[in-house]
Amino acid sequence: GAVVSQHPSWVICKSGTSVKIECRSLDFQATTMFWYRQFPKQSLMLMATSNEGSKATYEQGVEKDKFLINHASLTLSTLTVTSAHPEDSSFYICSAVRETEAFFGQGTRLTVV
Amino acid sequence: DAKTTQPTSMDCAEGRAANLPCNHSTISGNEYVYWYRQIHSQGPQYIIHGLKNNETNEMASLIITEDRKSSTLILPHATLRDTAVYYCIVRVDNPTGNQFYFGTGTSLTVIP
Repeated sequence: GAVVSQHPSWVICKSGTSVKIECRSLDFQATTMFWYRQFPKQSLMLMATSNEGSKATYEQGVEKDKFLINHASLTLSTLTVTSAHPEDSSFYICSAVRETEAFFGQGTRLTVV
Repeated sequence: DAKTTQPTSMDCAEGRAANLPCNHSTISGNEYVYWYRQIHSQGPQYIIHGLKNNETNEMASLIITEDRKSSTLILPHATLRDTAVYYCIVRVDNPTGNQFYFGTGTSLTVIP
């Protein structure tokens, strides 16, 4: 099956710094990618839809200035958590849709200290 | 928002069939039902999807009721490795693309 890769798998950063997470579709082109956040023992929450060459569409309640999304090419979308705080610590997961199936990355665990 | 409701948790004996129910009473006529599962701290894994007809693949079977308001995922011979959280999802078609909203999921524990 298709592969979606995230990098890094885990990251620890200091409060106030910014962190960039990459999501790549390795063997197909994805005009649309999605970013999710998952807190412990909870389900995945859709944060935003990332469209190649245009601005991302954010779900209600998600701060677009805090979670910057760039979809510069058909195989790469990035999520930057700006001025991270401990409450931003979470598991971030991206997905890309090919035809009718969504393929998910392995996730990035962010810990802000 | 998620359009599905699932039981919070279920147990199943190893080697027996696991039947996971899902309600999606507000599903629209052209919206697909998808099932994914997530093993701890990993990305979700695709299992199966369907629109109206029952579907079967090497992993599972999907039974969709005639009115499409509910469905059941069947793992025919559950193994310990099938212990995971199973998500039933209705794919929403928006102008920005097909979106997958996750509900709470069912935590399935396969018991030896």
